[in-house]
Amino acid sequence: AQSVAQPEDQVNVAEGNPLTVKCTYSVSGNPYLFWYVQYPNRGLQFLLKYITGDNLVKGSYGFEAEFNKSQTSFHLKKPSALVSDSALYFCAVRGSTGGYQKVTFGIGTKLQVIP
Amino acid sequence: NAGVTQTPKFQVLKTGQSMTLQCAQDMNHEYMSWYRQDPGMGLRLIHYSVGAGITDQGEVPNGYNVSRSTTEDFPLRLLSAAPSQTSVYFCASTIGQLSTDTQYFGPGTRLTVL
Repeated sequence: AQSVAQPEDQVNVAEGNPLTVKCTYSVSGNPYLFWYVQYPNRGLQFLLKYITGDNLVKGSYGFEAEFNKSQTSFHLKKPSALVSDSALYFCAVRGSTGGYQKVTFGIGTKLQVIP
Repeated sequence: NAGVTQTPKFQVLKTGQSMTLQCAQDMNHEYMSWYRQDPGMGLRLIHYSVGAGITDQGEVPNGYNVSRSTTEDFPLRLLSAAPSQTSVYFCASTIGQLSTDTQYFGPGTRLTVL
């Protein structure tokens, strides 16, 4: 069975500092990895995804994520945090082996950017 | 495009009542899913549909029914509401069956069962 772990319930970072939100995964075959963001009282919005190719993926709002196959990780990063980045972030994984693959989400990490 | 829409935004039910959560998308997406979001548990898949007339169970299907009579609509029915079904419910759609496809989420329905 596939799984996603987001080891931190909350990450606090000062505005202007770099941020990292961690994600590790377990899946059969090649992983397809996603990051979504949820602002208060809103649905999830797509940020970025890794399918294949370059291990560094760039997405919306200046976010990027680094795929590390040996460590089975897909950490979300941003060089300089904004207060408006404060939200709940979900990592998700889909397997690539056969048929319609359901998505497995992590439990989410709350990012708090402090002015 | 309106994207994925959900109604109602909020609902309070009494134990044993039934209701239908509505979901519609105007992007002509084949795949639609229902998730529930609970604190500390992330999103869990309830039911999904790979096209009109085809539905299947997710990881937490008990107490819920779905149907997909059109590409656009994917309603979720609570047959006899229980307090354990208090949650935030999200509908999502995906353009196709590829594992690489992005999901588009609705704004959610916050359900409280008393």
